[in-house]
Amino acid sequence: EAGVAQSPRYKIIEKRQSVAFWCNPISGHATLYWYQQILGQGPKLLIQFQNNGVVDDSQLPKDRFSAERLKGVDSTLKIQPAKLEDSAVYLCASSWRGRNEQYFGPGTRLTVT
Amino acid sequence: RKEVEQDPGPFNVPEGATVAFNCTYSNSASQSFFWYRQDCRKEPKLLMSVYSSGNEDGRFTAQLNRASQYISLLIRDSKLSDSATYLCVVNTPDYKYIFGTGTRLKVLA
Repeated sequence: EAGVAQSPRYKIIEKRQSVAFWCNPISGHATLYWYQQILGQGPKLLIQFQNNGVVDDSQLPKDRFSAERLKGVDSTLKIQPAKLEDSAVYLCASSWRGRNEQYFGPGTRLTVT
Repeated sequence: RKEVEQDPGPFNVPEGATVAFNCTYSNSASQSFFWYRQDCRKEPKLLMSVYSSGNEDGRFTAQLNRASQYISLLIRDSKLSDSATYLCVVNTPDYKYIFGTGTRLKVLA
C-alpha cells in the first residue's frame, strides 16, 4: 500500500515570498492533517480535514496560511507571504477516521531566508 | 498546564538496559492514545496504540493509567537502533490529536 506522498521535499524561499505544498493521503483515508514541526518540538496541528470539510483550523495563521482539499483526496497548503519564523518541517498525515492512528508523509523542509 | 507533557530527556542508557518514559495529559475525557517514534530528520512513525488493558509488542510495552492521566512506554533490552525521539499523542474528545514535545532516547554501545 502506498504511503502519504508529499512534495516538494525541500524548499528555500526569501521572506515575503509565497510557497505551496502538496499532499496525497493514503487511499481511502477520510481524514487529512497538516502539521508544522519546529526543530526540537512536537508536531503542531495547523488544519484537519474530514473529506473536503474543515474540522479544525484553530491554530492556522489565517492571515498568511491557507489550505484546501477540494475533492476530498489530495490537499495543498499555502503560505503567503512567508516569514522567517515559518521555517519548519510541514508534515501531512492521514487516518481512516478521526480516532484512528495517523500515518505521516516524509514532510517538506521549508527554509525562509 | 500543557495538554500533553513529556520529559524531553535525553535518556542515555547502555545497550540491554530497560528504560521507561511517561507522558501526562490534562483532559480526562481523552479518547485514544499513541506512541510514535521519530528518527532525526524523518517523519513520525506509529510505534503502538495504547489500550486501556495495556499492550505489548515484542520488547515494547505501553500502559494507560486513566486515574492518574498518564501513559507509559517501557522498552526492554534496548538496542542501538532504538535511539530516537518518542512522541506521545493524545486524541481529545473533540477529535484533536495533541502531540507531546517528545523524549529523546540514546542507547549507548
